Amino acid sequence: AQSVTQLGSHVSVSEGALVLLRCNYSSSVPPYLFWYVQYPNQGLQLLLKYTTGATLVKGINGFEAEFKKSETSFHLTKPSAHMSDAAEYFCAVSQISSASKIIFGSGTRLSIRP
Amino acid sequence: GAGVSQTPSNKVTEKGKYVELRCDPISGHTALYWYRQSLGQGPEFLIYFQGTGAADDSGLPNDRFFAVRPEGSVSTLKIQRTERGDSAMYLCASRRTGGSTEAFFGQGTRLTVV
Repeated sequence: AQSVTQLGSHVSVSEGALVLLRCNYSSSVPPYLFWYVQYPNQGLQLLLKYTTGATLVKGINGFEAEFKKSETSFHLTKPSAHMSDAAEYFCAVSQISSASKIIFGSGTRLSIRP
Repeated sequence: GAGVSQTPSNKVTEKGKYVELRCDPISGHTALYWYRQSLGQGPEFLIYFQGTGAADDSGLPNDRFFAVRPEGSVSTLKIQRTERGDSAMYLCASRRTGGSTEAFFGQGTRLTVV
């Protein structure tokens, strides 16, 4: 069975500050990992994904995440927050298989203070 | 179409009625997912299709929920005898075969049971 835990349902940072959103996963097999962003009243949009290879993954809008197998983590970071980053962020895990469901975490709402 | 299309975007129904929610995936995507998202929560997996068959329906909450994908393209989520607790955003996503690919989400159908 797979699961995702996102620590912190709400994170608030100042504009220009570092953004760190935490994600830990549980998987009995090597996982594929994803971060999605959801703006109000919109669907989910992929930020970045880890499948194989380089453990530091870069995504859109300046976000990146690092897969740490020993810590079963896939934390999302951005060096400098922008007001437009305010949204809900979801971490997700999937198995390495063509037939695999995707399990989402409960989400972290990111607020940006001026 | 260019993206995943869900209709209707909003549905208000009376308790006890039957509803159908439609999802039109990206052309050529063999995998199709249904999720339910309540306010402030992450997407909750309901069912996953690979082609015409349900590969995993373990997330369907009870036998009032059913989904079909008869020709391996459009899918319909059917809810019988709706209850107020069924009120949520229902999200559909499609994915090319292969676990390394991301799922693309539609804008969702907001279901309100009154």
